Amino acid sequence: GQNIDQPTEMTATEGAIVQINCTYQTSGFNGLFWYQQHAGEAPTFLSYNVLDGLEEKGRFSSFLSRSKGYSYLLLKELQMKDSASYLCAGMDSNYQLIWGAGTKLIIKP
Amino acid sequence: GAVVSQHPSRVICKSGTSVKIECRSLDFQATTMFWYRQFPKQSLMLMATSNEGSKATYEQGVEKDKFLINHASLTLSTLTVTSAHPEDSSFYICSARGGGETEAFFGQGTRLTVV
Repeated sequence: GQNIDQPTEMTATEGAIVQINCTYQTSGFNGLFWYQQHAGEAPTFLSYNVLDGLEEKGRFSSFLSRSKGYSYLLLKELQMKDSASYLCAGMDSNYQLIWGAGTKLIIKP
Repeated sequence: GAVVSQHPSRVICKSGTSVKIECRSLDFQATTMFWYRQFPKQSLMLMATSNEGSKATYEQGVEKDKFLINHASLTLSTLTVTSAHPEDSSFYICSARGGGETEAFFGQGTRLTVV
């Protein structure tokens, strides 16, 4: 079956670094997406990885290991506005997104 | 990124009535549109996938006669919740993808409350 696993909740301190992990099992693989979702709002796109390695985009970076079925989202210099849910989604061979349940990130001052 | 507009953002309706939600791609042609619902503190649940000009493909457990999806043009898809009941209250989100693209862009979502 297809499955995405990520932690339910994480807590970090303002200014620090946090890594949100995601493991995936999909029927075929066409990439791994990370989205940010604030409460009551639709998700917004953060990153897309289809090749192994690290993609850096400002304070946010995303890593993929296809052999391990593993990805992480790295957030640096955390700000209070980064408090949100972070959704990991794998794209299968039919180009459908398989969604994780999301990781609620709580930032403390 | 591309812009997807979803309307209305919030709607309250009486039990037994129908509600239509619109999803428009403003600056690209959306060959595929996805409709999701999301309950509080849960992930997105795909309801159906629609390709322009053809019937929507519904996920298992989603009633096609209750959730009517129309994708008549490359820029507009609609979801109609028919004979709404309080248990249909949820956050409904559309996303749209252009032909040959992997990334889908989300609308703002619609908070439906059935009273």
